[in-house]
Amino acid sequence: DGVMTQSPLSLPVTLGQPASISCRSSQSLVHSNGNTYLNWFQQRPGQSPRRLIYAVSNRDSGVPDRFSGSGSATDFTLKISRVEAEDVGVYFCMQGTHWPYTFGQGTKLEIK
Amino acid sequence: EVQLVESGGGLVQPGGSLRLSCAASGFTFSRYSLSWVRQAPGKGLEFVSALSSGDGVSTSYGKSVQGRFTISRDNSKNTLYLDMGSLRVEDTAVYYCAREQSSGYTLDYWGQGTLVTVSS
Repeated sequence: DGVMTQSPLSLPVTLGQPASISCRSSQSLVHSNGNTYLNWFQQRPGQSPRRLIYAVSNRDSGVPDRFSGSGSATDFTLKISRVEAEDVGVYFCMQGTHWPYTFGQGTKLEIK
Repeated sequence: EVQLVESGGGLVQPGGSLRLSCAASGFTFSRYSLSWVRQAPGKGLEFVSALSSGDGVSTSYGKSVQGRFTISRDNSKNTLYLDMGSLRVEDTAVYYCAREQSSGYTLDYWGQGTLVTVSS
């Protein structure tokens, strides 16, 4: 199974400052159909995962535009342009190109 | 509004069995593939099992549960199931059901989860 590696695992950020999370795959996530299926999820404390980004850079409905996704093949990034208090939680990447789907270990974002 | 509501979790002894249910609403249940994903306390997410849309002929399982867990669906009841057998301490986790987006390759909606604790 593909291995997804996130960094950092802990991310203290000052309110209003940017944040960046990296996700690397052990194999290319370019599907045979030409698309790349890398997703980002947010899990707030005590809540279930909520999808933020799908297919590398597509924001879900209702997700603030301060969240953005980028990357290609094996290297991907989730960026938050200005961190707000409600962004506290754990962020996971998940690849959907190869079966079974696999997840990164999670990055815990906290406010400094 | 899409809703997925899991139930059936609880405390079970090693070697025991348990059935989880996931009641769905807000979408045409039979048209979607569904998955179970678990999260051990303080840990990351792990794929458990998936089931294809329609009559659910196609199934898949994570290596750690292969041969012990069975996924199924009842489209007349809009419900997904996970029958768990030969439970181990390491199966302790919150179990989430999740819907596969119609175009595939991602999970777009998740339930709130149900806690399974395997302990003597």
